[in-house]
Amino acid sequence: QSALTQPASVSGSPGQSITISCTGTSSDVGSYNLVSWYRQVPGKAPKLLISEGGKRPSGVSNRFSGSKSGNTASLTISGLQAEDEADYYCCSFTISRTYVFGTGTKVTVL
Amino acid sequence: EVQMVQSGGGLVQPGGSLRLSCAASGFTFSAYWMHWVRQAPGKGLVWVSRINPDGSSISYADSVKGRFTISRDNAKNTLYLQMSNLRVEDTAVYFCTRDTFGDKDFWGQGTLVTVSS
Repeated sequence: QSALTQPASVSGSPGQSITISCTGTSSDVGSYNLVSWYRQVPGKAPKLLISEGGKRPSGVSNRFSGSKSGNTASLTISGLQAEDEADYYCCSFTISRTYVFGTGTKVTVL
Repeated sequence: EVQMVQSGGGLVQPGGSLRLSCAASGFTFSAYWMHWVRQAPGKGLVWVSRINPDGSSISYADSVKGRFTISRDNAKNTLYLQMSNLRVEDTAVYFCTRDTFGDKDFWGQGTLVTVSS
């Protein structure tokens, strides 16, 4: 199972919106409603950011939103803030009843 | 408060074995699917394995199938990962995670496994 494809890095200025793509295949992303998204600060465990159902866990800002079209899912961060600097990963269930993560995207706030 | 405390990592030679543990508290452990996810140094997250609440349904990533065994002891609220025939490429931080409707909503602190001669 190959990892889902994400851009290695995305950057933006404070207040801007950025979008991180997550491209898979009809065997994973294309087969399910949404993917889940995780945020990881280096040296720490990942944290759930967007659920497979598109919901945000308690405490996650509504500046984060997820969407999907075909085999590509997207995470949008609006009103970018310095604290948003982190690594972001998507994750999808697969038709083999396994899971696959994305390659990860480093977000930099300029 | 949900907590998952991991133990069992360390240095092991290629071909060796190691067992990781993940002690859960603060939730009804026996009601949840659980996963192992790993992250090689400087690399991304990789899903390893998952197990259903009663241990009757298990799946693995192809890269570990036949070498790793996931299990759980619901009486002890503990998840395990038995790793055998370890390879240098298995070197990673291993995380246990709780599954809620497919979402990995709580994570252990991670434990480092280093496979080296």
